[in-house]
Amino acid sequence: TQLLEQSPQFLSIQEGENLTVYCNSSSVFSSLQWYRQEPGEGPVLLVTVVTGGEVKKLKRLTFQFGDARKDSSLHITAAQPGDTGLYLCAGEDSSYKLIFGSGTRLLVRP
Amino acid sequence: DAGVTQSPTHLIKTRGQQVTLRCSPKSGHDTVSWYQQALGQGPQFIFQYYEEEERQRGNFPDRFSGHQFPNYSSELNVNALLLGDSALYLCASSLYGGAGYEQYFGPGTRLTVT
Repeated sequence: TQLLEQSPQFLSIQEGENLTVYCNSSSVFSSLQWYRQEPGEGPVLLVTVVTGGEVKKLKRLTFQFGDARKDSSLHITAAQPGDTGLYLCAGEDSSYKLIFGSGTRLLVRP
Repeated sequence: DAGVTQSPTHLIKTRGQQVTLRCSPKSGHDTVSWYQQALGQGPQFIFQYYEEEERQRGNFPDRFSGHQFPNYSSELNVNALLLGDSALYLCASSLYGGAGYEQYFGPGTRLTVT
């Protein structure tokens, strides 16, 4: 059974601070996706990374896919209260299923 | 361009009852996947439909079944409801196949079983 472990589970930081969320597995994934979910809503896709070692930037968010395609990280620079939410990583297995991590709940205090 | 829509938004059922949830995919998408998200957890894959057939299934009992219609919309049926079935049920649509295909989620249906 493929599992994705996210860390930390909870993160409470002050506005302006930087943070990194990690997503790790012992399994290889075809691609990895990052989502953000607000309370009472469905996850919203932030980025998809496909190639080992790939780095993608989305404004203040930087996503990296590990060389072996088993892990990924999300780095947020100068966090803002609008970044508050549940961040989910999801790995795509060989049969195109998404395996989700348990999420990182981020609170950015003004 | 309408995104993924789901109905109803909320539902309260009693143990032992049956429930049907509905999903309309994003325009241009042909594949629908269903997920169960318990409180404080990440979504768990239930099954995926493409060309009106179940293509992939997660670790869920046969009480969970589904259907896809010719217009690509889909239903999720759960029989003999248990208290543990209380969760947010998410539908996601995509184009079938290929590494890095992107799934777009609907707002979910919140099911409460009492």
